[in-house]
Amino acid sequence: DQQVKQNSPSLSVQEGRISILNCDYTNSMFDYFLWYKKYPAEGPTFLISISSIKDKNEDGRFTVFLNKSAKHLSLHIVPSQPGDSAVYFCAASGEETSGSRLTFGEGTQLTVNP
Amino acid sequence: DVKVTQSSRYLVKRTGEKVFLECVQDMDHENMFWYRQDPGLGLRLIYFSYDVKMKEKGDIPEGYSVSREKKERFSLILESASTNQTSMYLCASSPAGAWKPQHFGDGTRLSIL
Repeated sequence: DQQVKQNSPSLSVQEGRISILNCDYTNSMFDYFLWYKKYPAEGPTFLISISSIKDKNEDGRFTVFLNKSAKHLSLHIVPSQPGDSAVYFCAASGEETSGSRLTFGEGTQLTVNP
Repeated sequence: DVKVTQSSRYLVKRTGEKVFLECVQDMDHENMFWYRQDPGLGLRLIYFSYDVKMKEKGDIPEGYSVSREKKERFSLILESASTNQTSMYLCASSPAGAWKPQHFGDGTRLSIL
């Protein structure tokens, strides 16, 4: 069963607008969440993370929101740029020290149109 | 510039062959990981290693083994390749204490015929 789900396989937005990528999880033991970005023919790169003691973490144009009661997190990119076009993976872990047990979602392909 | 290098971008092998996927990192990282990426399934952890000669099974270790004889190199071995092991394989590393995989290689697309 898929414990971390990204229900939108793709998302298309205009340059300058907000991109919102969503992720849902089922395991209530997850308490640490990450987003990775992957360009074609390259490996994923770590983007931003959030611990369950927070509901928001911001890094420049990227903000991750966590709604624990809904078991939902989202990544907001504002403003979106064409260089943001990539596949975005969310991932979750039960403990901050258990990187070995990261569970990844299926990924969402973001396309930012000029 | 930090680098995780996977020896092959594309590899085609036959069923039953023993297959070696090599990964080298130049950052002196203690932790190294092997994942496979399949459509609709995201990335799944096969094995990881937190030190030389140390290894732990991930979520899908069946049919695979690993070797970490030197700190910079982490090898994934398919003992007897099968068609369901056709996939994209990704190696990653991170320093001790930074447990999440930080740097990934560009991947090896392996096809088993």
